[in-house]
Amino acid sequence: QITLKESGPTLVKPTQTLTLTCTFSGFSLSTSGVGVGWIRQPPGKALEWLALIYWNDDKRYSPSLKSRLTITKDTSKNQVVLTMTNMDPVDTATYYCAHSPYPPSAFDIWGQGTMVTVSS
Amino acid sequence: EIVLTQSPDFQSVTPKEKVTITCRASQSIGSSLHWYQQKPDQSPKLLIKYASQSFSGVPSRFSGSGSGTDFTLTINSLEAEDAATYYCHQSSSLPHTFGQGTKLEIK
Repeated sequence: QITLKESGPTLVKPTQTLTLTCTFSGFSLSTSGVGVGWIRQPPGKALEWLALIYWNDDKRYSPSLKSRLTITKDTSKNQVVLTMTNMDPVDTATYYCAHSPYPPSAFDIWGQGTMVTVSS
Repeated sequence: EIVLTQSPDFQSVTPKEKVTITCRASQSIGSSLHWYQQKPDQSPKLLIKYASQSFSGVPSRFSGSGSGTDFTLTINSLEAEDAATYYCHQSSSLPHTFGQGTKLEIK
């Protein structure tokens, strides 16, 4: 059974860097064909794709946020980490991580999400 | 970037009714189109992948069709528990994108 869970701060100040961790079980990011992605959702708004990392360390980013995002994996800990620099109030959202097979496909299992508020 | 436009944005429907939600892509995406259901305060759940493949455990009243630029999610014999917002998502090219969502209200 695949599960994912996001963790990180609930409140960050403008200009700070956000670090979110996705801890998963039921699969390994060292297995061919496996990926984990990040998606966010501002309150009352639609989903926005942020980044993906695959078993082979192939990394993909949203072009509009690429300069601010870094996605990494720690296979030994079954974790994927997303960092987003220079946080702004418009980045206030629920951040989800999700399992996604390769080739690029649907997000078939999602975490519960973690709400991040950006405010001074 | 491929833009996905869903219609309608909102629909109020009665139980047992048949519902159709459409998703139009700004350019051809083959069959790389997926559908999700999101209930209030819950994370999205995958319903249909690759336009028409039902995901494991999804009730058979949910089905998908389409290819290229035009796609449809159909819910046959709507149930009260289907009240939710539905999103389409394309994985054909980067960046992945989502539709704006269709909110279904059950009368």
